[in-house]
Amino acid sequence: AIRMTQSPSSFSASTGDRVTITCRASQGISNYLAWYQQKPGKAPNLLIYGASTLQSGVPSRFSGSGSGTDFTLTISYLQSEDFATYYCQHYYTYPFAFGPGTKVVIK
Amino acid sequence: EVQLVESGGGLVQPGRSLRLSCATSGFTFDEYALHWVRQAPGKGLEWVSGISGNSGSIGYADSVKGRFTISRDSAKNALYLQMSNLRAEDTALYFCTKERYCTATRCPFDYWGQGARVTVSS
Repeated sequence: AIRMTQSPSSFSASTGDRVTITCRASQGISNYLAWYQQKPGKAPNLLIYGASTLQSGVPSRFSGSGSGTDFTLTISYLQSEDFATYYCQHYYTYPFAFGPGTKVVIK
Repeated sequence: EVQLVESGGGLVQPGRSLRLSCATSGFTFDEYALHWVRQAPGKGLEWVSGISGNSGSIGYADSVKGRFTISRDSAKNALYLQMSNLRAEDTALYFCTKERYCTATRCPFDYWGQGARVTVSS
């Protein structure tokens, strides 16, 4: 099975910061990579799919890049509503898998 | 409007069985793969199982393979997860989720239910 890792596991940031989260797959997954945002008590929300395609309705400050095994999610200008946990997910083949998550907290 | 509503959660003893249901509406049921994703208390997301629109392709996480069975009923627009031989580590909030339309064979998840809580304890 393909395993997903993320770094960092958590970090603190300030409104207006540019933040980058990395995700790595244990083997190549082409661009079958999605990013989700989850806030406490809520279901996850799809942000990015195909490694770099922005889901409809998601602000343009979110962007994704990468292919193969290494991927990044960037938030260009952190807003107050962006403090949440972010998960990457591969959907290359069964079994799908999520990364362990990256929690972004207020500095 | 797409809606996914889970039901069937509850408290169950280790070794027993439970069936989760997910009632869906707002999309052409047979055209989309559906999945179950769970989240243990205070933990991250774990993909559990997925089923294609025509039920021809099914997958399971290693942690549930042989114990859980996913199925769908197009007449009822419903998704199911039959869980057997439950363990304490199966305790989680179980989300029903739908793949979005995309041109690839498999796609990420664009709609989620609010979850059904399953607690496995004696």
